[in-house]
Amino acid sequence: DAMVIQNPRYQVTQFGKPVTLSCSQTLNHNVMYWYQQKSSQAPKLLFHYYDKDFNNEADTPDNFQSRRPNTSFCFLDIRSPGLGDTAMYLCATSSGGVTDTQYFGPGTRLTVL
Amino acid sequence: AQSVTQPDIHITVSEGASLELRCNYSYGATPYLFWYVQSPGQGLQLLLKYFSGDTLVQGIKGFEAEFKRSQSSFNLRKPSVHWSDAAEYFCAVRETGTASKLTFGTGTRLQVTL
Repeated sequence: DAMVIQNPRYQVTQFGKPVTLSCSQTLNHNVMYWYQQKSSQAPKLLFHYYDKDFNNEADTPDNFQSRRPNTSFCFLDIRSPGLGDTAMYLCATSSGGVTDTQYFGPGTRLTVL
Repeated sequence: AQSVTQPDIHITVSEGASLELRCNYSYGATPYLFWYVQSPGQGLQLLLKYFSGDTLVQGIKGFEAEFKRSQSSFNLRKPSVHWSDAAEYFCAVRETGTASKLTFGTGTRLQVTL
């Protein structure tokens, strides 16, 4: 089945230790998104790629970076995680067409100690 | 700017009872509307979506939603709730256009009692 895959599902890191989260998709979608979701809150868009074009949200901290080496993969890098970065990180993809619909992966739960 | 309001933070229903989750949006033109469901510790699963046409939309798991332009609403309904429906439900709106940003409501947590 076509799907969005996130690895790892759970990640524990120490304060200030860089971490990378991975997302891959078999949907061949043009657009890939990264969201941060804190407990009992709605997902908050961090950035997205339309093909190779990177689009950063205005309020996304500089500490968060992303890479998209090819159509299938997208990475979220947190350069120096703080305690406030403990959250669920969701990857989503969409075709980018007029009836654009986002499909989400299962998420990575990141805990910063 | 577009916005979404889900007035009910938490709803409890008995298994077998009917369900309606409210969603109101603010957007200047006809929006694209979505309902997603999120089980604990999981990602978001698309339940249904509305782009145009028939204002009553059928989705997965027996859910439906009705777009009412006059009320700026897109309420989610299910005639008979199952215990497995307990989850967080998010309504979202997107501007018409390509790959535009989704704006989510704050979510409604559904609890189902047996």
